[in-house]
Amino acid sequence: AQSVAQPEDQVNVAEGNPLTVKCTYSVSGNPYLFWYVQYPNRGLQFLLKYITGDNLVKGSYGFEAEFNKSQTSFHLKKPSALVSDSALYFCAVRDLNFNKFYFGSGTKLNVKP
Amino acid sequence: ETGVTQSPTHLIKTRGQQVTLRCSSQSGHNTVSWYQQALGQGPQFIFQYYREEENGRGNFPPRFSGLQFPNYSSELNVNALELDDSALYLCASSAGTADEQYFGPGTRLTVT
Repeated sequence: AQSVAQPEDQVNVAEGNPLTVKCTYSVSGNPYLFWYVQYPNRGLQFLLKYITGDNLVKGSYGFEAEFNKSQTSFHLKKPSALVSDSALYFCAVRDLNFNKFYFGSGTKLNVKP
Repeated sequence: ETGVTQSPTHLIKTRGQQVTLRCSSQSGHNTVSWYQQALGQGPQFIFQYYREEENGRGNFPPRFSGLQFPNYSSELNVNALELDDSALYLCASSAGTADEQYFGPGTRLTVT
């Protein structure tokens, strides 16, 4: 079955430290990959996407993500976390073969001062 | 530039009733997708409309139906409401069928 997995419900990191939010997927073909962020009392916001090309993509607010085809992963990263990065992060996949979208269950990122 | 708007914000319905949710897409976007988000879970894809035609559907029964209008706004209709339909319903618009999506604030539906 097609799916997206975010294995960590919560990630805790100290401000200034690097952060990684993990995502793996099980979708046929060459899907499009996305990260979205949801701040408290605000809607989902687009962060970045991978379609093709360089495996490291850069997005908004200093975030980047690394695509690994052999591991079917698309981990979100940031070199130096900010307290304001604390939010709920969703990985999403677009299945081009069946015109469907799949979202992970979300990872809550807590950045402590 | 106007973002994605949804109406109503909240809605309470009784089991067995029908409901219509509305979405206005962002200016310049011709594609609208609808999602159901239960508490504590990620959005579940219901369907997508591109230029007034359904263009992909998730694992939702036929009582979930939709429309897209010439101005690219959209409606989600749910018939024969069930208690499990209680959720946040999100609308998202995009410039193309596989482009990044811009989400509205959602409609909170409660079925009693």
